[in-house]
Amino acid sequence: DAGVIQSPRHEVTEMGQEVTLRCKPISGHDYLFWYRQTMMRGLELLIYFNNNVPIDDSGMPEDRFSAKMPNASFSTLKIQPSEPRDSAVYFCASSVGQGVGTQYFGPGTRLLVL
Amino acid sequence: GDSVTQMEGPVTLSEEAFLTINCTYTATGYPSLFWYVQYPGEGLQLLLKATKADDKGSNKGFEATYRKETTSFHLEKGSVQVSDSAVYFCALSETGGGNKLTFGTGTQLKVEL
Repeated sequence: DAGVIQSPRHEVTEMGQEVTLRCKPISGHDYLFWYRQTMMRGLELLIYFNNNVPIDDSGMPEDRFSAKMPNASFSTLKIQPSEPRDSAVYFCASSVGQGVGTQYFGPGTRLLVL
Repeated sequence: GDSVTQMEGPVTLSEEAFLTINCTYTATGYPSLFWYVQYPGEGLQLLLKATKADDKGSNKGFEATYRKETTSFHLEKGSVQVSDSAVYFCALSETGGGNKLTFGTGTQLKVEL
């Protein structure tokens, strides 16, 4: 079975540019989570969706960040404009609502903003 | 609110040594407990889990027992290998919490020959 798929795996951009990160959850999973990981702040939950609807976006750092889930098989995290402090690894994870809620993580997108 | 506290790393061990990584939690209900592992350059992978008190989760030689009386879920392995070098995260999921996980800060394990 395919796991969570993220693209791109690496992104290098210049400050001020728009960045779009993509995620395809595991088929049949109805929860999707976006995390950010840095050395300084560790693993942070940015936002999560249930059945394509955002449930909690309190972790989104500021208005420059936005996330969408137009359908059950696709989500995007957009940063506009990007800043050097956004450099991090961004993970997407998905889970099934029934059961204990084990989350399955993608490989991550390593973002570097110059 | 819910929280997870892990021992700080890095933890450095020689191959074949015994491993314990401490994890304690605070939760209002009866959470499920997890250990995730992150190898260098990769995403987090589920290592093991336990869903109720006294349950023991186990995988790849790692074990952890859900201790409600001490609100703990310590990770143990009898004999570590160099390939176990990674960052280990303890986490909890509250019943009715929308599948949201509360993670600890992670503990880096380094195993040397």
